[in-house]
Amino acid sequence: LAKTTQPISMDSYEGQEVNITCSHNNIATNDYITWYQQFPSQGPRFIIQGYKTKVTNEVASLFIPADRKSSTLSLPRVSLSDTAVYYCLVGALGGGGNKLTFGTGTQLKVEL
Amino acid sequence: AAGVIQSPRHLIKEKRETATLKCYPIPRHDTVYWYQQGPGQDPQFLISFYEKMQSDKGSIPDRFSAQQFSDYHSELNMSSLELGDSALYFCASSTTRRGGETQYFGPGTRLLVL
Repeated sequence: LAKTTQPISMDSYEGQEVNITCSHNNIATNDYITWYQQFPSQGPRFIIQGYKTKVTNEVASLFIPADRKSSTLSLPRVSLSDTAVYYCLVGALGGGGNKLTFGTGTQLKVEL
Repeated sequence: AAGVIQSPRHLIKEKRETATLKCYPIPRHDTVYWYQQGPGQDPQFLISFYEKMQSDKGSIPDRFSAQQFSDYHSELNMSSLELGDSALYFCASSTTRRGGETQYFGPGTRLLVL
């Protein structure tokens, strides 16, 4: 499984855009990139998933360059409720039995 | 939309006791994963099942066992509990679909071993 590296913590203010970059230099051809959000004592919540280029949904965007060795999760106009740990995960998907290997996530703190 | 259901949500046990955690996946999901998250730690994969067969195994102690039943719900059985087993236990479910697979997590079971 590809190892990921992301910042341990980030601080932001309400209304700002937050970009969290994750490095995954040894990503394999059939690997997808998935981001989860986790609040204390709650289960990780799926945010977004992509394979290449750009993916956007109602809560975030995911930018993946052509070499796929990194990815950036973009959270537009964050609020206090976005304070959480964000995990970047890389792995082959499909066919069942594809465990997620959580690395050290990024603790995002949003202030007024 | 229906989510993953876990029961119980909280459990207190004594050392050397046994515990059974249950997971009910999202309807029509065929894969279940179990993760353990200790205090201040990241989730760690324990075991997974696909179509009622064990599909992968992680850092699950021999004292733990699990299975997936015909209705796709899963149970994690933990015996000879130790203090270090105190953690949040998450179940996630998924189904293989074109374009990838997304795991959806339940709210977790908080196990406290005294």
